[in-house]
Amino acid sequence: GAVVSQHPSRVICKSGTSVKIECRSLDFQATTMFWYRQFPKQSLMLMATSNEGSKATYEQGVEKDKFLINHASLTLSTLTVTSAHPEDSSFYICSARDLGAPTYEQYFGPGTRLTVT
Amino acid sequence: GDSVTQMEGPVTLSEEAFLTINCTYTATGYPSLFWYVQYPGEGLQLLLKATKADDKGSNKGFEATYRKETTSFHLEKGSVQVSDSAVYFCALIPSGGGADGLTFGKGTHLIIQP
Repeated sequence: GAVVSQHPSRVICKSGTSVKIECRSLDFQATTMFWYRQFPKQSLMLMATSNEGSKATYEQGVEKDKFLINHASLTLSTLTVTSAHPEDSSFYICSARDLGAPTYEQYFGPGTRLTVT
Repeated sequence: GDSVTQMEGPVTLSEEAFLTINCTYTATGYPSLFWYVQYPGEGLQLLLKATKADDKGSNKGFEATYRKETTSFHLEKGSVQVSDSAVYFCALIPSGGGADGLTFGKGTHLIIQP
């Protein structure tokens, strides 16, 4: 149980285009999902907290107009990187909090490798 | 703000060796503490957790004790196996922060040689 999927697993796009990444909780409902970014050989940095049916909360320094987050249902959150540039190339990971589990339980997706050329 | 510091790798050990990966944190109050593991090509998995001082989390032979006095949560295993090769992340959620995202350490790459 408690499986989180991400799609796509890898994506290459050209500079200036937009890319959408999906995060789904497959066997549980998630009122809250989190988006992280991981640079090579570095830690995961929280980008934003996504709550179902409301606006996302962004961490300081994260451009909300560049990283659009939508959490339209209890099982799906999307991250859209708009007007992507090479510096946006990174590994993006989502996690989901299970409604039925202790509040600190988060389950992670396998990540999406974004390369902007 | 909150932060987590863990020893940087890579850490290379022989099979059956004793493992310690140090982790210390900075946070107010009593955060919840976690160790996550990331195997090659896979997502992060929760390895163990502790939610209050002196709690010991354990799983798959790994242990970590929440030490408030030293603000530490060191990961230990008595006898490592090749299959333990992975990246290990120490992380925290602040006190009462069930709806908060995790604050991670930089990760420690563990390599176990046969």
